[in-house]
Amino acid sequence: EAAVTQSPRNKVTVTGGNVTLSCRQTNSHNYMYWYRQDTGHGLRLIHYSYGAGNLQIGDVPDGYKATRTTQEDFFLLLELASPSQTSLYFCASSDAGETLYFGSGTRLTVL
Amino acid sequence: GDSVTQTEGQVTVSESKSLIINCTYSTTSIAYPNLFWYVRYPGEGLQLLLKVITAGQKGSSRGFEATYNKETTSFHLQKASVQESDSAVYYCALGESNNNRIFFGDGTQLVVKP
Repeated sequence: EAAVTQSPRNKVTVTGGNVTLSCRQTNSHNYMYWYRQDTGHGLRLIHYSYGAGNLQIGDVPDGYKATRTTQEDFFLLLELASPSQTSLYFCASSDAGETLYFGSGTRLTVL
Repeated sequence: GDSVTQTEGQVTVSESKSLIINCTYSTTSIAYPNLFWYVRYPGEGLQLLLKVITAGQKGSSRGFEATYNKETTSFHLQKASVQESDSAVYYCALGESNNNRIFFGDGTQLVVKP
């Protein structure tokens, strides 16, 4: 069974704060993704990666950095958080077959 | 670019009644994309409900069905008799096999009334 673990589950920070969201997959998948999910917008791709050290720009990358340190670990960094980044964030992994395996999500609130 | 449009907002259905959630897609980058339905139950992440990669084929899972129609560029989700446990958010998605990009619709909240 594919497993993707996100942490933390919930995070509250203030405007200008520094936040790191973590994601670990134990499936040896090549691809990992970060999405944000907002009411009325569905899932929007922030960044993705096809291997350690690789980073690809998604559709809504502004204000976000990401780093893939290992095959298993993919981090999303918000260095100067803004209220517009309040959202539900999902990490996912996949292999070449394209079925995505998602984590349970991180709810981020920026005050 | 590629995009997916699905039934907006919330759909409320009484238990044991039939369901259809509409999904249409548009693609400029690939002629025959892979098509998916994902589902998110309360408190959980999204999970694959069904997937079809060949035009004209039907996928099915947990009583749900969807047929890949390339003429109408549609992939509607149907179920003959819904249950309360089907209450969730359903997402239609399109995949570009050449670069592993997945594009999602905005999601449809299904509420099944007892």
